[in-house]
Amino acid sequence: KQEVTQIPAALSVPEGENLVLNCSFTDSAIYNLQWFRQDPGKGLTSLLLIQSSQREQTSGRLNASLDKSSGRSTLYIAASQPGDSATYLCAVKGRGAQKLVFGQGTRLTINP
Amino acid sequence: SQTIHQWPATLVQPVGSPLSLECTVEGTSNPNLYWYRQAAGRGLQLLFYSVGIGQISSEVPQNLSASRPQDRQFILSSKKLLLSDSGFYLCAWSRNSGVADTQYFGPGTRLTVL
Repeated sequence: KQEVTQIPAALSVPEGENLVLNCSFTDSAIYNLQWFRQDPGKGLTSLLLIQSSQREQTSGRLNASLDKSSGRSTLYIAASQPGDSATYLCAVKGRGAQKLVFGQGTRLTINP
Repeated sequence: SQTIHQWPATLVQPVGSPLSLECTVEGTSNPNLYWYRQAAGRGLQLLFYSVGIGQISSEVPQNLSASRPQDRQFILSSKKLLLSDSGFYLCAWSRNSGVADTQYFGPGTRLTVL
């Protein structure tokens, strides 16, 4: 059974810092991995999707990497801004499976 | 462009009452559709998914049910709500291509059962 873990559960950093969010998964037989952002009381917004054959994806100040063999992914946020404050969730899709398995998320606070 | 709608946005219901949450998708055809529940401290849990009209797969046994009466409409129902049904319900869709199948989420429905 696939399990996804995100550490830390919460993170607070000053504005302008670069930061890394971590995601680990127990079964390396994945189809893809996604990073989402969730603002309080809102739905999820897809940030980046990495297929199992890829090593990383970039979008603006965001860079996500995938190391399937070690069961890890990181989300790198450069030059953080207060608007980046949100909960960040990673989710994996297993091969042959329809569903995404989500981590519990990291609640990120960027202090001005 | 594609959009996904959910209603109502918030709902307060007494224990034992029925439930009907609706989700519709615009701008695409034959999408995969999903219902998730996000309970406090428990993360996102997939409840149901559908790959076509009338095709529903249940992930978690419970007193909830789902139906897909039209291609782009997904309904979550209950005959009698329990306190444990409280949570944030999210509908999502993805393309039925199996390739870069990003899931796109709706704005959610906050359900409180009293």
